[in-house]
Amino acid sequence: GDSVTQMEGPVTLSEEAFLTINCTYTATGYPSLFWYVQYPGEGLQLLLKATKADDKGSNKGFEATYRKETTSFHLEKGSVQVSDSAVYFCALREYGNKLVFGAGTILRVKS
Amino acid sequence: NAGVMQNPRHLVRRRGQEARLRCSPVKGHSHVYWYRQLPEEGLKFMVYLQKENIIDESGMPKERFSAEFPKEGPSILRIQQVVRGDSAAYFCASSQTSGDSKETQYFGPGTRLLVL
Repeated sequence: GDSVTQMEGPVTLSEEAFLTINCTYTATGYPSLFWYVQYPGEGLQLLLKATKADDKGSNKGFEATYRKETTSFHLEKGSVQVSDSAVYFCALREYGNKLVFGAGTILRVKS
Repeated sequence: NAGVMQNPRHLVRRRGQEARLRCSPVKGHSHVYWYRQLPEEGLKFMVYLQKENIIDESGMPKERFSAEFPKEGPSILRIQQVVRGDSAAYFCASSQTSGDSKETQYFGPGTRLLVL
């Protein structure tokens, strides 16, 4: 079946550092891809999405590009803030609407 | 606009009791999904429902778990005779009925179930 693999965390960065969280997927066809963020004790919030190859999703300074050749959807941000500390989940949407999630990557940003 | 609402936010049950989790989707959304998040893990799909229909229950355990989304009222995830392994966060998500926006799922805050 379809699957999503994320880099293991935790990732610890200083404020204003550059962030990359790697995400690769295995799927039949060309699924839509998503990044969700989960703050402590809360549900998931959609961060960004891309629905076809070469699409770039972006929101709040985060961005990710749908790379069909490398089956990847890496999350990047040029300058992280303490408030970005959270768990980040990469996901794909299978045919039939269900989401398949990666294991999540904990991000900790120090001031 | 109200987002996805779930209640209770926290639920404590003893082994053998029943747990009933409720989810009210975003107004106008008729697709509901349930996911389970075990400690230190990502979310796993459980079931996908539309009003009065179960569309995909491939992620539901074969026994003790059931879900419904009636014509009126919230979606309910029911766990009978809970065991300690059922302790987890249960998230509900909803999406719209048609168009590209159909595929974006909006999540509720979750119900954290603890089985003693």
